[in-house]
Amino acid sequence: EVQLVESGGGLVQPGGSLRLSCAASGFTFSPYWMHWVRQAPGKGLVWVSRINSDGVDTTYADSVKGRFTISRDNAKNTLYLQMNSLRAEDTALYYCVRGGDRSSTTSYDSWGQGTLVTVSS
Amino acid sequence: DIVMTQSPDSLAVSLGERATINCKSSRSLLYSSNNNNYLAWYQQKPGQPPKLLIYWASTRESGVPDRFSGSGSGTDFTLTISSLQAEDVAVYYCQQYYSTPITFGQGTRLEIK
Repeated sequence: EVQLVESGGGLVQPGGSLRLSCAASGFTFSPYWMHWVRQAPGKGLVWVSRINSDGVDTTYADSVKGRFTISRDNAKNTLYLQMNSLRAEDTALYYCVRGGDRSSTTSYDSWGQGTLVTVSS
Repeated sequence: DIVMTQSPDSLAVSLGERATINCKSSRSLLYSSNNNNYLAWYQQKPGQPPKLLIYWASTRESGVPDRFSGSGSGTDFTLTISSLQAEDVAVYYCQQYYSTPITFGQGTRLEIK
């Protein structure tokens, strides 16, 4: 069974940093594109970032470009999101999501439960 | 960016009746080289992550009941629940994965009338 377990969320002041992690199990992690999607409280889904299988190819939403960095450690089956210069509008539940193993353009068949990030003073 | 617009924003349907949710994209999601529409539908129940229902606009994910179906091509798509069950109460999202940034519709809240 595919499992994606996020951690690292919490309360942080504006301008602060957090590092989210996503531990993957139940499948061979290394070939898959991986994504982060966020959802502000009571709002819709917003794609944040994606990374290819070897970590070389990364893409970001304009709203986080230059502040967030996606990375992965295939030896540890773990996806990361380093979040710097956090703003109130980054407050959301952050989901780790599995993409495709052959293509960057696929639907999302597996989601984690999410980790909540709250940016507030 | 491709803008995804769902209609209606909310919908109330009687048990056993048909529910229809529409999704319109600002650009065609049909990739001519493989004739696939890069459109998916998700169901999200309170306190849960989204669940994939439909991909390639009309392919049902494994394990999804056959009362759920997807149709459409190009820029106009529809999710249909043929006979609404109580457990179908949720928010439904369409998503385009044709190009980045990947974008979602605003969601449609489905309730029982």
